[in-house]
Amino acid sequence: GAGVSQTPSNKVTEKGKYVELRCDPISGHTALYWYRQSLGQGPEFLIYFQGTGAADDSGLPNDRFFAVRPEGSVSTLKIQRTERGDSAVYLCASSTDGNTEAFFGQGTRLTVV
Amino acid sequence: AQSVTQLGSHVSVSEGALVLLRCNYSSSVPPYLFWYVQYPNQGLQLLLKYTTGATLVKGINGFEAEFKKSETSFHLTKPSAHMSDAAEYFCAVSIRDYKLSFGAGTTVTVRA
Repeated sequence: GAGVSQTPSNKVTEKGKYVELRCDPISGHTALYWYRQSLGQGPEFLIYFQGTGAADDSGLPNDRFFAVRPEGSVSTLKIQRTERGDSAVYLCASSTDGNTEAFFGQGTRLTVV
Repeated sequence: AQSVTQLGSHVSVSEGALVLLRCNYSSSVPPYLFWYVQYPNQGLQLLLKYTTGATLVKGINGFEAEFKKSETSFHLTKPSAHMSDAAEYFCAVSIRDYKLSFGAGTTVTVRA
């Protein structure tokens, strides 16, 4: 596609529920990143994929968070047993490889009530 | 580990006035430095970046930034603000890898 696409743009869920956030990177980009932006903060790194594998998941806050990229294109960020503190904008970005400019999507605003 | 501090969470300027957004970084090795802009309901867009070489970097929309190693700074400037510059601006640092560390952001409002 023309840019990085994230769906849904907004998601409201109840505390304790499971959610999935989807990212469609720019076609041909092998590197994909997830960041989380809490209110009043800058984005914080969560995880980096190179191809199908998670090259660095050091930013995932705990084991309720998991991400996959099974075919090296679309990625899904999965959050189990959501908590109100998970409320944030989740940003996805992709780049040609891990060393070039990253292009960001518009984000998914997650609200846990 | 690297980090970024943006001085001032909100900046208000008059149209036509100088825009100055301050960014100081901390890094144990020579960093790569970035400025991103985020317009309402849009994704982050790269304004400019410094990797190596010339310390004065020119970006899109008339913005520029200067890397000053002695001051560990990478301040963003634009000589004359336009109404369309109203947005949130983020400074970021990386150490030649994929992982960006962002500042908390500065919201710019432009007064007519």
